Amino acid sequence: AQKVTQAQTEISVVEKEDVTLDCVYETRDTTYYLFWYKQPPSGELVFLIRRNSFDEQNEISGRYSWNFQKSTSSFNFTITASQVVDSAVYFCALRDEGNFNKFYFGSGTKLNVKP
Amino acid sequence: NAGVTQTPKFRVLKTGQSMTLLCAQDMNHEYMYWYRQDPGMGLRLIHYSVGEGTTAKGEVPDGYNVSRLKKQNFLLGLESAAPSQTSVYFCASSFTPGLASDEQYFGPGTRLTVT
Repeated sequence: AQKVTQAQTEISVVEKEDVTLDCVYETRDTTYYLFWYKQPPSGELVFLIRRNSFDEQNEISGRYSWNFQKSTSSFNFTITASQVVDSAVYFCALRDEGNFNKFYFGSGTKLNVKP
Repeated sequence: NAGVTQTPKFRVLKTGQSMTLLCAQDMNHEYMYWYRQDPGMGLRLIHYSVGEGTTAKGEVPDGYNVSRLKKQNFLLGLESAAPSQTSVYFCASSFTPGLASDEQYFGPGTRLTVT
């Protein structure tokens, strides 16, 4: 069965610290896609990144980077030099080819960045 | 281009009352989804639609009904509201039928309280 686990319920850091949000997934499919979404205090969900199961290259976008490791079924998200505006709930999600109608979301990690 | 919009933004219902949440998208997307978000549980899929005139059950469909009479609209109905349906409801849409890589675009959410 498909499942996404975000074990960190809440993380607090001080501005400029680096922080890593963990995501572990389960799926039997060999073709699948992983996503990260950001939900700021305003409530909307903002798409951050999509990764397919055949591409294990790490990705960097500004202060954001993602580490995809199939061997450990993990898709971790790192924010470098965090800022107060990074405060949000971050969701990891899985969608696989066998059941493309559905996203499986983790329970989210709330990140608090203090000035 | 408004993206995905939801009406209303907030609503308070008494137990047993009924209401309809409206989701509209102007991106010509085929797929539309209704999720509910509860603390510590991420997003859970209620119902989804793969095209005009079609709907299907998601993970937590009980107590809800949906209709997709027009491609751009997806309605979520609560026939007899219960306190357990107090939640934030998100609508989402995606473009490419059957393509697991396609990310979802989310509406701003509707906060529903049932007393």
